[in-house]
Amino acid sequence: NAGVTQTPKFQVLKTGQSMTLQCAQDMNHNSMYWYRQDPGMGLRLIYYSASEGTTDKGEVPNGYNVSRLNKREFSLRLESAAPSQTSVYFCASRSTGGNSPLHFGNGTRLTVT
Amino acid sequence: GNSVTQMEGPVTLSEEAFLTINCTYTATGYPSLFWYVQYPGEGLQLLLKATKADDKGSNKGFEATYRKETTSFHLEKGSVQVSDSAVYFCALSGNYGGATNKLIFGTGTLLAVQP
Repeated sequence: NAGVTQTPKFQVLKTGQSMTLQCAQDMNHNSMYWYRQDPGMGLRLIYYSASEGTTDKGEVPNGYNVSRLNKREFSLRLESAAPSQTSVYFCASRSTGGNSPLHFGNGTRLTVT
Repeated sequence: GNSVTQMEGPVTLSEEAFLTINCTYTATGYPSLFWYVQYPGEGLQLLLKATKADDKGSNKGFEATYRKETTSFHLEKGSVQVSDSAVYFCALSGNYGGATNKLIFGTGTLLAVQP
């Protein structure tokens, strides 16, 4: 059982380049999330998708776009990367409901030079 | 708004020592509370949870009790091992349905256990 799978694991970009981070889950979860993790700041929500066909902004959406391609897949796109987007990005999914926990992927470490 | 405050790390302990990592929260209503653990190079994993006041979550020797009167959810373990070295995150979630019910995380506490 793979759970939540993220690709790539590492990426280096130059300022202004674009890229898409991929995420897929095989747990039939309705909800999917993208977080970024920075030292001393914990996890901050970028975007989330309550269900297939819907997406909403989180705390720090500027500079990012997302696509919920189907129930399994939720991608995060950086159109024009900036050094401030250097971070570790985590995708997560969960069943609907306040008691259900998030299931995380192993993260993508992105460096923008 | 809702928020979570954790003690700052790093916390450095010797093997078999007692562990406490403090977590307090601010929330309206009756949130669910969680502890997640992150091992080096990995994503976060759920360690334990509690969904109502006075509930005790437990897993792998770790425990935390949901204290509404003190708005706290402190993580404890009686005897830590080197393998417990990780970053621990406290989180809360409003106790109503829907993905708009987002998890709010603390900043994390690094635990380093020395042999």
